Amino acid sequence: EAQVTQNPRYLITVTGKKLTVTCSQNMNHEYMSWYRQDPGLGLRQIYYSMNVEVTDKGDVPEGYKVSRKEKRNFPLILESPSPNQTSLYFCASSLLGPNPETQYFGPGTRLLVL
Amino acid sequence: AQSVSQHNHHVILSEAASLELGCNYSYGGTVNLFWYVQYPGQHLQLLLKYFSGDPLVKGIKGFEAEFIKSKFSFNLRKPSVQWSDTAEYFCAVYRMDTGRRALTFGSGTRLQVQP
Repeated sequence: EAQVTQNPRYLITVTGKKLTVTCSQNMNHEYMSWYRQDPGLGLRQIYYSMNVEVTDKGDVPEGYKVSRKEKRNFPLILESPSPNQTSLYFCASSLLGPNPETQYFGPGTRLLVL
Repeated sequence: AQSVSQHNHHVILSEAASLELGCNYSYGGTVNLFWYVQYPGQHLQLLLKYFSGDPLVKGIKGFEAEFIKSKFSFNLRKPSVQWSDTAEYFCAVYRMDTGRRALTFGSGTRLQVQP
């Protein structure tokens, strides 16, 4: 089944404790992206990647890091989480053709930073 | 800056009522438009999309949307809602002139359908 998976689905942590949220897709998509969803703000892009070893900042990159060592994986790293990073995080992927492609979303990771 | 506005934040309807959710965007160039739905506890799913051609697009589950370029709008409609349509609906815009391939989302409209 074609899908985007994220782990963990739920995470409670404390300020300053490094964490990683994994994202994996099995559709051979070149493009992957991370969004955060906050009430009243919709989804905002954190980072994106056009291909292996190619990553760039989105609208709200502060406090986050990403890596793209393999085509299928795009982990989101919070080196020193803070309470304002409490949010619902979505990973998405799509093909990267000359025209825009539908983005497929993972199930989301709900993060609480105390 | 690019923005997407969804003016209805919370809509409550009875089953069989007609639905129209508004979406306006501020960018004047070429855009592609999407509506996504998020059912309770689930991830976002694509309802429909507009890239070019007929401005009236049909999506899954009886939803349709009309792109009106002069009004910068892409409103979502359904003639008769069902209880199972209870969800949050997001309009999203894709700008063709940026390299980021990012979708800009509206803040969402929470639809509650009462049986």
